[in-house]
Amino acid sequence: DQQVKQNSPSLSVQEGRISILNCDYTNSMFDYFLWYKKYPAEGPTFLISISSIKDKNEDGRFTVFLNKSAKHLSLHIVPSQPGDSAVYFCAAGGSAQKLVFGQGTRLTINP
Amino acid sequence: GAGVSQSPRYKVAKRGQDVALRCDPISGHVSLFWYQQALGQGPEFLTYFQNEAQLDKSGLPSDRFFAERPEGSVSTLKIQRTQQEDSAVYLCASSLRSVSGANVLTFGAGSRLTVL
Repeated sequence: DQQVKQNSPSLSVQEGRISILNCDYTNSMFDYFLWYKKYPAEGPTFLISISSIKDKNEDGRFTVFLNKSAKHLSLHIVPSQPGDSAVYFCAAGGSAQKLVFGQGTRLTINP
Repeated sequence: GAGVSQSPRYKVAKRGQDVALRCDPISGHVSLFWYQQALGQGPEFLTYFQNEAQLDKSGLPSDRFFAERPEGSVSTLKIQRTQQEDSAVYLCASSLRSVSGANVLTFGAGSRLTVL
């Protein structure tokens, strides 16, 4: 039972444009959501999080939007830069300490 | 150290061999997690420690997998009688959860296990 789903395995965006990565979840008990970025041969690194009581959180070029009624969140990156090319994972957490991860979306920024 | 350190970075084992993977968490982080990441997939939870206590081992796939953190700092994930399906990257993460807010995990670079 996949509680967190990223339905797009890959996404290609032109440099300078907006990248939008999507994530859906099934468990309404999740209290917060996070996005991680992963480069090859490195561990995932934390990007941004959002509490379930909010619908938006912004940090520089990165904004996360949460739609609780649709059980959907998205990560917007604007403007996209070549260094943003990586695999992005969405994750969810609640009262349990562990995070549940999606399958990841590989983002490629084209010059 | 400044980050989560894992060793070895790469391990090749013959089917049936035992392996041990080590994790040095960030100093002061009481929570430690092990995840398994298969090729093209997201990290899958294996087990969680708070200090030396293993509070959740629901993700361990079989009794061939064993984890310990005897002094509440360094942790070892042991896999006995390795099988080809154990081939994956094993990620260790630690966290210092704030009073409120997200439990942000800091990950190591992982140990890539290949079972031949």
